Amino acid sequence: AQTVTQSQPEMSVQEAETVTLSCTYDTSENNYYLFWYKQPPSRQMILVIRQEAYKQQNATENRFSVNFQKAAKSFSLKISDSQLGDTAMYFCAFSGAAGNKLTFGGGTRVLVKP
Amino acid sequence: GAGVSQSPSNKVTEKGKDVELRCDPISGHTALYWYRQSLGQGLEFLIYFQGNSAPDKSGLPSDRFSAERTGGSVSTLTIQRTQQEDSAVYLCASSLAGGLDYGYTFGSGTRLTVV
Repeated sequence: AQTVTQSQPEMSVQEAETVTLSCTYDTSENNYYLFWYKQPPSRQMILVIRQEAYKQQNATENRFSVNFQKAAKSFSLKISDSQLGDTAMYFCAFSGAAGNKLTFGGGTRVLVKP
Repeated sequence: GAGVSQSPSNKVTEKGKDVELRCDPISGHTALYWYRQSLGQGLEFLIYFQGNSAPDKSGLPSDRFSAERTGGSVSTLTIQRTQQEDSAVYLCASSLAGGLDYGYTFGSGTRLTVV
């Protein structure tokens, strides 16, 4: 069974600065997908970024980028130029190649301070 | 519809009563998923539908939990004889086929409180 671990329960960052969220996972599969989701107080999970394990290039979406280290089974999220609207819970998630379920980490609460 | 719609948004029920939670996925999305999020926790997979069938229901925590999907569209999650430990946010998501290429779209969830 796959497991996803987020070791930082809470992080705070000053507006306009950079914060990095950690995620490690465990799997015996070779082909899989990794995701970061944002959950604001509205409860809706919003996809931030996704990474396909067979791609070596790290995914980037505007101010969000990942550092994917397949051998280390590490998938960290960097938020650059943090904005007040980035305040939310962030969840790392794993999906096997079958794609029929996501396994989530426990989440990291990010607070962006003005 | 434009997004995944869940109803009710909030539900308070007495211990021992049955509840039904509804999910209306995005039109045309063949895959539908239910997850449970307990207070301060990550999401826990419950069940996956492809069309009207459920090839993976391994996450349902007990036989008090059941789900069905009709017409390849609306899904209902039923919890019988609710217990206090069932209190959580129940989130539904849908996707085109599997979620890997097209992504999952989540609803805003139903917050269930069992008193």
